[in-house]
Amino acid sequence: AQSVTQPDIHITVSEGASLELRCNYSYGATPYLFWYVQSPGQGLQLLLKYFSGDTLVQGIKGFEAEFKRSQSSFNLRKPSVHWSDAAEYFCAVGGRGSNYKLTFGKGTLLTVNP
Amino acid sequence: IAGITQAPTSQILAAGRRMTLRCTQDMRHNAMYWYRQDLGLGLRLIHYSNTAGTTGKGEVPDGYSVSRANTDDFPLTLASAVPSQTSVYFCASSDSQGKTQYFGPGTRLLVL
Repeated sequence: AQSVTQPDIHITVSEGASLELRCNYSYGATPYLFWYVQSPGQGLQLLLKYFSGDTLVQGIKGFEAEFKRSQSSFNLRKPSVHWSDAAEYFCAVGGRGSNYKLTFGKGTLLTVNP
Repeated sequence: IAGITQAPTSQILAAGRRMTLRCTQDMRHNAMYWYRQDLGLGLRLIHYSNTAGTTGKGEVPDGYSVSRANTDDFPLTLASAVPSQTSVYFCASSDSQGKTQYFGPGTRLLVL
């Protein structure tokens, strides 16, 4: 069965600091990997996705993520966090083997201090 | 283009009552999904539909039913609501490759 682990429930960073959110997955075949962001009271917005090819993926809002097959990881990074990045972030895995159904992690809540 | 719309935005429901959450997409996506989001549990798949006329069960289907009469609509019905169904419900659809899911704004449901 596929699964996603986001080890950090809550992370606090200062504005302007760098950010890395961790995501580890379990999937029996080639995974499709996603990061979504959810602002309070809102739906989920796609930040970036990985299907194949270059393992460093660029997304919206200055975010990037790196797929590391050997570590079963897909960590999200941003070099300089803005106050507007405060939100909850979800990692998800899916693929052909699951008929493209996604399994989500439990999320990481990001707080940004001024 | 609206994308995915959900109705109602929020609802308070008495236990035992029947409720249908509506979801409509205008992107002509084949696949659609219903999730519930609960604090500390992330999003869990309730039901899905790969194409009009077909549906399937997700991780937490008990107490819920769906139908897919056409491409655009995917209603979720609670036949007899219980307090444990208090949650935020999200509808999603995926593009022609079946890979990327796009989400609606959600319905907040409180069952008393």
